[in-house]
Amino acid sequence: SAVISQKPSRDICQRGTSLTIQCQVDSQVTMMFWYRQQPGQSLTLIATANQGSEATYESGFVIDKFPISRPNLTFSTLTVSNMSPEDSSIYLCSVEGPGGKETQYFGPGTRLLVL
Amino acid sequence: DAKTTQPPSMDCAEGRAANLPCNHSTISGNEYVYWYRQIHSQGPQYIIHGLKNNETNEMASLIITEDRKSSTLILPHATLRDTAVYYCILLMDTGRRALTFGSGTRLQVQP
Repeated sequence: SAVISQKPSRDICQRGTSLTIQCQVDSQVTMMFWYRQQPGQSLTLIATANQGSEATYESGFVIDKFPISRPNLTFSTLTVSNMSPEDSSIYLCSVEGPGGKETQYFGPGTRLLVL
Repeated sequence: DAKTTQPPSMDCAEGRAANLPCNHSTISGNEYVYWYRQIHSQGPQYIIHGLKNNETNEMASLIITEDRKSSTLILPHATLRDTAVYYCILLMDTGRRALTFGSGTRLQVQP
């Protein structure tokens, strides 16, 4: 299994500011994913982050708004830029298990409220 | 990945089996059926997956019909801690690795 931690666990931010969310994994993993879960909704994939390459963004998500870093095999960051109240969501990172494709493990999420 | 259809909500009595259905009538031959659940205020948790044979682990059993167009997740003895949203997700064995979450089934286990 993989143990994932995220920082911060929650934050309240003012519109127009930016927040960087950190995701730390206790083992080396190739693929990391960032998801957004808006209030009362299911999870939506933002991007896939592989070490050593640019993140791949899903339709509706752009790098300028959600820049992602993946400096090594155990760490990634997601920045939510120029925030508006519509960005209020839970942001979750996940990784594929060390065995490869069988399971994904999720972090506890970062609860963001934008005022 | 093909779509799945799940009932939006179900109730189950504590100690009884919870049977959660999922329809995936357009599933392709190389797509696995995965089940995850999300307990309130937590990240999703993997439960079980299968291709065409029934599967069982310490958490649950997965029954896949012979034509693979539907499946059922069985929690044999539901507890209050099993109250969660359960997601049935299709995933190919190659290519895209990210999960596509539908609306899921909100299971409420009643005391």
